[in-house]
Amino acid sequence: AQKITQTQPGMFVQEKEAVTLDCTYDTSDQSYGLFWYKQPSSGEMIFLIYQGSYDEQNATEGRYSLNFQKARKSANLVISASQLGDSAMYFCAMREQYSGAGSYQLTFGKGTKLSVIP
Amino acid sequence: DSGVTQTPKHLITATGQRVTLRCSPRSGDLSVYWYQQSLDQGLQFLIQYYNGEERAKGNILERFSAQQFPDLHSELNLSSLELGDSALYFCASSSRDRGLRGTEAFFGQGTRLTVV
Repeated sequence: AQKITQTQPGMFVQEKEAVTLDCTYDTSDQSYGLFWYKQPSSGEMIFLIYQGSYDEQNATEGRYSLNFQKARKSANLVISASQLGDSAMYFCAMREQYSGAGSYQLTFGKGTKLSVIP
Repeated sequence: DSGVTQTPKHLITATGQRVTLRCSPRSGDLSVYWYQQSLDQGLQFLIQYYNGEERAKGNILERFSAQQFPDLHSELNLSSLELGDSALYFCASSSRDRGLRGTEAFFGQGTRLTVV
């Protein structure tokens, strides 16, 4: 079974509107972290936001917020007031309780391509 | 700028050849992670080094190897290259273990490898 599922291969949003990118995850760990990264066409991976499994509040970073529903194992990214520069691939990733001492590798979903329409 | 430096940015080589990708982590970061991004497999974790020692292995082929040097830079060696090894290879670094709270990995800009 996939550990990170992003069901939307592509999304369109009108400039200045809000958009939600879906992410569900699968883990048996109690302690884990969820991340969203943005990958523009230039290729670099840009960290956007982080949510810890024990965090009671949903994470927010500027126009980005994470809608964390632990019981449903979902961690959707909400981008408010979309801008043309938000057009990119967006990846959801999870870091589980380490498999070995000090190891915190990320498992990524397949990504969602967001296109912002002027 | 994430502070993680990868060289070269682009690499074109022939099948059967060997290449070395280099990564300099952010200042003070002890962990280096290598990831491969290909069209069919997506982003996959390859291997992690922590302060010079191998810490975790993911889906890394036997033809691939890595090491981390005393100055903490890391190299990923890819040998007997095949067409299917064409991908974007990322290096990421993170700071010393602080548990799972907010220790995000910072990614380099990647090395795009094309095997012809």
